[in-house]
Amino acid sequence: NAGVTQTPKFQVLKTGQSMTLQCAQDMNHEYMSWYRQDPGMGLRLIHYSVGAGITDQGEVPNGYNVSRSTTEDFPLRLLSAAPSQTSVYFCASSYRRGTYEQYFGPGTRLTVT
Amino acid sequence: AQSVTQLGSHVSVSEGALVLLRCNYSSSVPPYLFWYVQYPNQGLQLLLKYTSAATLVKGINGFEAEFKKSETSFHLTKPSAHMSDAAEYFCAVSEVKSTFGDGTTLTVKP
Repeated sequence: NAGVTQTPKFQVLKTGQSMTLQCAQDMNHEYMSWYRQDPGMGLRLIHYSVGAGITDQGEVPNGYNVSRSTTEDFPLRLLSAAPSQTSVYFCASSYRRGTYEQYFGPGTRLTVT
Repeated sequence: AQSVTQLGSHVSVSEGALVLLRCNYSSSVPPYLFWYVQYPNQGLQLLLKYTSAATLVKGINGFEAEFKKSETSFHLTKPSAHMSDAAEYFCAVSEVKSTFGDGTTLTVKP
């Protein structure tokens, strides 16, 4: 199993550009989440999904959109990039039943200039 | 609402010394608690988890944590630090959504 995969690994955007961060998992997990990691601030939840077709906002959703058309994929869209969105983005997945232990992807390092 | 507080953003120990990383949580229901480790330029990986089966939980790489309900704590310990333990450590509480602490960077001095 590949686990949780994320693409791209690195990305540089100009202010105002849009892009999609890709996330896929092959463990048939129902739950998927997007986090951003900034120095000294831990991981903050952007959006999450409890199954295909169901998404909800996390702690810091502004400027980001998500959709979940399949169990496997959970893309994160930046609508109009801003320097404040410079961060490392992690996707994670977990089973619906059990302890909600999360499996993380390797991350995408995004710089907005 | 659930929350996690990690006391100390940086901890430095000598190789062979005790490692103690502190975590306090709040949760409206009996929690699932986790410690994750992040090595430089990598994602997070599970170190150990508390699921109410036992209050003392053993994880990978010689780490363990004790759940103390009366103190709402879940501190992480390792009897003898190794250079390879240098990393950032995150405590987390989960119901459906997970809430993470701000992280503690562990430095191990030779």
